[in-house]
Amino acid sequence: SQKIEQNSEALNIQEGKTATLTCNYTNYSPAYLQWYRQDPGRGPVFLLLIRENEKEKRKERLKVTFDTTLKQSLFHITASQPADSATYLCALSYSGSARQLTFGSGTQLTVLP
Amino acid sequence: EAGVAQSPRYKIIEKRQSVAFWCNPISGHATLYWYQQILGQGPKLLIQFQNNGVVDDSQLPKDRFSAERLKGVDSTLKIQPAKLEDSAVYLCASSSPGTKNTGELFFGEGSRLTVL
Repeated sequence: SQKIEQNSEALNIQEGKTATLTCNYTNYSPAYLQWYRQDPGRGPVFLLLIRENEKEKRKERLKVTFDTTLKQSLFHITASQPADSATYLCALSYSGSARQLTFGSGTQLTVLP
Repeated sequence: EAGVAQSPRYKIIEKRQSVAFWCNPISGHATLYWYQQILGQGPKLLIQFQNNGVVDDSQLPKDRFSAERLKGVDSTLKIQPAKLEDSAVYLCASSSPGTKNTGELFFGEGSRLTVL
């Protein structure tokens, strides 16, 4: 079965630095990969989607890359701010899977002022 | 646009009791999902509806969990009888095939269940 691994430990970085979160998967590549943000006590909120034929996607201070050879996606937050502190979830979807998402366990990011 | 509504937000019950959660998706969203999120883990799909039909319930523990979406809008997830390991946040999400983002899910705030 498909396994999704995100940074195994919480990530602490200094304000203003770039945060880089990792999402690795096994077996076959998904049709597309999504990143969500989840704050304590709240539901996940969609951030970005990248398709298997795309290498990179950007949205404001966010950037996602997708390497199907390495079976890896990287999620970057540039010029990080304390307000970016949250858990970030990676989710994969496959062609023909009726729009089902399989989520990783998430990486807890803390941006220190 | 109103988001996905869920209730109750919190529920504490004793094992072997029953509980029901309600979800009202975003208006016009045909697809509705129930996810279970155990503390420290990512959401795990329990059941997916397309309108009022079940698309996938392969990970739903059918001996104790049931879900319905009778009129293709609201949905109810029931657990009976509850076990200690059912303590989790139950997230409802919806999506529309027409979204440009292709499969983006809109989540509710979740219903946190504690089984004592």
